Amino acid sequence: KQEVTQIPAALSVPEGENLVLNCSFTDSAIYNLQWFRQDPGKGLTSLLLIQSSQREQTSGRLNASLDKSSGRSTLYIAASQPGDSATYLCAVRNSGNTPLVFGKGTRLSVIA
Amino acid sequence: GAVVSQHPSRVICKSGTSVKIECRSLDFQATTMFWYRQFPKQSLMLMATSNEGSKATYEQGVEKDKFLINHASLTLSTLTVTSAHPEDSSFYICSARDRDRGYGYTFGSGTRLTVV
Repeated sequence: KQEVTQIPAALSVPEGENLVLNCSFTDSAIYNLQWFRQDPGKGLTSLLLIQSSQREQTSGRLNASLDKSSGRSTLYIAASQPGDSATYLCAVRNSGNTPLVFGKGTRLSVIA
Repeated sequence: GAVVSQHPSRVICKSGTSVKIECRSLDFQATTMFWYRQFPKQSLMLMATSNEGSKATYEQGVEKDKFLINHASLTLSTLTVTSAHPEDSSFYICSARDRDRGYGYTFGSGTRLTVV
């Protein structure tokens, strides 16, 4: 059974810092991996999706990497801003039409 | 991109009543929708997989008679929480994938259910 772990559970950084969020998964035979952002009491916003054949994806100040063989992914946020404060969720899918399995998330606070 | 509309966003109901939550895929057809539940400070946990025109598949520990799922069309899936109890208070969210627009899942905006 796939399990997803995210470290750290919470993180507080001053504005402008670069930071890395970590995600690990137990079954490396994944179809793809997705990073989401969730604001308090809100739904999910997809940030980046990495297919199993890819090593990284970039969108603006965000960069996500995938090391499938070791069961790890990282989300790098450059030049953090207070507006980046949210919970970041990592989720993996094991095959084409199966549901996502989520980690518990990392709660990020960027202090102005 | 693909949009999933979920309503209501917030509902408060009395114990013993039923609540229906709707998810609509606005610009694509969703043969499959997934329903998740999220308790405070916990991750999203899959409750059931909703398939258009057939019975939903429930995860272990989820009561199918309590959480009724109907997926009568390719653009609409509903979750009805029957005889709600305070312990059913949670954040419920659906997701679907537009097969023509890539590999990612799109999520609804979620429903905050409070049972008093």
